[in-house]
Amino acid sequence: EAGVTQSPTHLIKTRGQQATLRCSPISGHTSVYWYQQALGLGLQFLLWYDEGEERNRGNFPPRFSGRQFPNYSSELNVNALELEDSALYLCASSRSQGRNTEAFFGQGTRLTVV
Amino acid sequence: GQSLEQPSEVTAVEGAIVQINCTYQTSGFYGLSWYQQHDGGAPTFLSYNALDGLEETGRFSSFLSRSDSYGYLLLQELQMKDSASYFCAVEQAGTALIFGKGTTLSVSS
Repeated sequence: EAGVTQSPTHLIKTRGQQATLRCSPISGHTSVYWYQQALGLGLQFLLWYDEGEERNRGNFPPRFSGRQFPNYSSELNVNALELEDSALYLCASSRSQGRNTEAFFGQGTRLTVV
Repeated sequence: GQSLEQPSEVTAVEGAIVQINCTYQTSGFYGLSWYQQHDGGAPTFLSYNALDGLEETGRFSSFLSRSDSYGYLLLQELQMKDSASYFCAVEQAGTALIFGKGTTLSVSS
């Protein structure tokens, strides 16, 4: 069974541009989560999608947005890129959220803003 | 809001036992999870505690005290391959897993 896949693995953008990151969840998983992992800051929650709807978002500005498609894949869009957006962006998937819902992570997209 | 505190770094030698503590403040608490992340890799699930007490999975055990809002991950018979970052994460109503900043474990020979 394929795990969570993310693309691209690396992305270099200039300040002010837009970035689009993609995630395919494990088959049968309907929930997709996005996290930002900047150096020394752990995993910071960005967005949670389930059944095509945004269920919750973390403490990030509106220029971080995304969507979930009917096949449960998801994309994260970051507009007006800033230097501090440089980080590893991790996607995770799980079955619809309940208790003890194990999240499975992809390898991440390394975004560098120059 | 939510907050989790865990030590930033821990060092130990092969064969030793190490405990990584995690304290949390949150509402609508369901349970505490632990994840392991090797350098450059994806975080992977280690354990989950919803009830007070100790859960054992091989060399790793995890403990939770809901009344103290405290948990720990215990790693026994440490091996070099255990060098990684370890994250505690709270599972709560209506939101995704919220992670701590992680503890970097360095195991030396």
